[in-house]
Amino acid sequence: KQEVTQIPAALSVPEGENLVLNCSFTDSAIYNLQWFRQDPGKGLTSLLLIQSSQREQTSGRLNASLDKSSGRSTLYIAASQPGDSATYLCAVTSGGSYIPTFGRGTSLIVHP
Amino acid sequence: DAGVIQSPRHEVTEMGQEVTLRCKPISGHDYLFWYRQTMMRGLELLIYFNNNVPIDDSGMPEDRFSAKMPNASFSTLKIQPSEPRDSAVYFCASKQGASPGMGANVLTFGAGSRLTVL
Repeated sequence: KQEVTQIPAALSVPEGENLVLNCSFTDSAIYNLQWFRQDPGKGLTSLLLIQSSQREQTSGRLNASLDKSSGRSTLYIAASQPGDSATYLCAVTSGGSYIPTFGRGTSLIVHP
Repeated sequence: DAGVIQSPRHEVTEMGQEVTLRCKPISGHDYLFWYRQTMMRGLELLIYFNNNVPIDDSGMPEDRFSAKMPNASFSTLKIQPSEPRDSAVYFCASKQGASPGMGANVLTFGAGSRLTVL
């Protein structure tokens, strides 16, 4: 059974810092990995999806990488802004099941 | 497309009452998922459908929970009778396909239904 872990659970940084959020998974036979953002009291918004054959995806200040052999993905946020404050979740879709399994998320606060 | 649409957005009910949550997936999406989110347990998959057929309901907590998808554009999650421990945010999500070769694996969520059972 796929297990997804996100570290750290919470992070507080000053505006302007570059930061890295981590996601690890136990079964490397994955189809894809997706990063989401969730604002308080809101639904989940998709940020980036990396297919199993890809190593990274970029969107604006966000860059997500995937290393299947080590069971890890990182979400890099450049030049963080207060508007980036939210919870970031990763979801791994495993081989054969097509079911996305979610981590518990990293709660990010970027203070001015 | 208007995205995944859920209703109601908020529901407050008393223990023992029946609760019905509704979801309209994105047109053309073949997969529909129901998740429950709580502070204690995070996001939990309850059930998912492929082409309107329930595939895996092993996450449904107990017989009080049931889900249907009578057609490609509508699904319901019903709790009868409801209990205070069912209080959570319930999310519906959909995606187009499962093939790793397709670019249509993006999972899209609705805004959620916040349920409070008193």
